[in-house]
Amino acid sequence: EVQLVESGGGLVQPGGSLRLSCAASGFTFSSYSMNWVRQAPGKGLEWVSYISSSSSTIYYADSVKGRFTISRDNAKNSLYLQMNSLRAEDTAVYYCARSGYAMSYWGQGTLVTVSS
Amino acid sequence: DIVMTQTPLSSPVTLGQPASISCRSSQSLVHSDGNTYLSWLQQRPGQPPRLLIYKISNRFSGVPDRFSGSGAGTDFTLKISRVEAEDVGVYYCMQATQFPPTFGQGTKVEIK
Repeated sequence: EVQLVESGGGLVQPGGSLRLSCAASGFTFSSYSMNWVRQAPGKGLEWVSYISSSSSTIYYADSVKGRFTISRDNAKNSLYLQMNSLRAEDTAVYYCARSGYAMSYWGQGTLVTVSS
Repeated sequence: DIVMTQTPLSSPVTLGQPASISCRSSQSLVHSDGNTYLSWLQQRPGQPPRLLIYKISNRFSGVPDRFSGSGAGTDFTLKISRVEAEDVGVYYCMQATQFPPTFGQGTKVEIK
C-alpha cells in the first residue's frame, strides 16, 4: 500500500523557517517524481514545487521561488521542503503528492501556520 | 500559466440523481507526446485530495464506475451517474500538461 506521511509543520513567526518532511513507503520511491502542494484554510489547491526522481529537474511556483528549497533522499525514501523567510500567506496545509500521469497519491498533510 | 475554470462552483444534488461538473482550460491540454494530462480529484471534508480520473477518462484504482470523465482539447466534464452520500466534497480538475500544474477553483457537491 502506497503511503505518504508528512511531518514538520507548526507555528512559526513571519520571517522564520521550517523544514517539512514526507516519508514514503509501499512503492519504489526512487522511480517517481514528487510534488509539494498546499491549501490555505478554506481555499483551493496550489502547486508549490516539483522534483524529478533523480533530483535533476526542480521547479517552483513563483510565489515561493527563492525562499523554498525542495530536495529528496532516495536512500531514506524521503522528500523535503525547506521553507525560509516565511510569510503569513504561506499559512496552509502542505501535502506531498506522487507524480506520474497525474498526482496519484497524496499524504494527509501537515499544517504550517505563520503568525506572530 | 494555464487557467482552469470550473462550473458550477456549487452543485446541490439529490441522492441517486446525476451530477456533472465542467472544466475549461485557457489553452489546449494536448501534450506534445499526444496525451492530455487532465485529471479530476475529490476532496472529502477533512480529508486530503484523492485522484479519481486521469488523462481525461481513466478511472484510478478503486474508483467506482459511477464516476466518468470526458472531453478533449480545452473542455472537460466529470459526471457522477448516481450521487451517493459519500460523494459529498469538493472536486477539482487539474492539468499537468504544462508547468506549473494548475487546478480549477473547486466545485462543492452537496446533498439537497
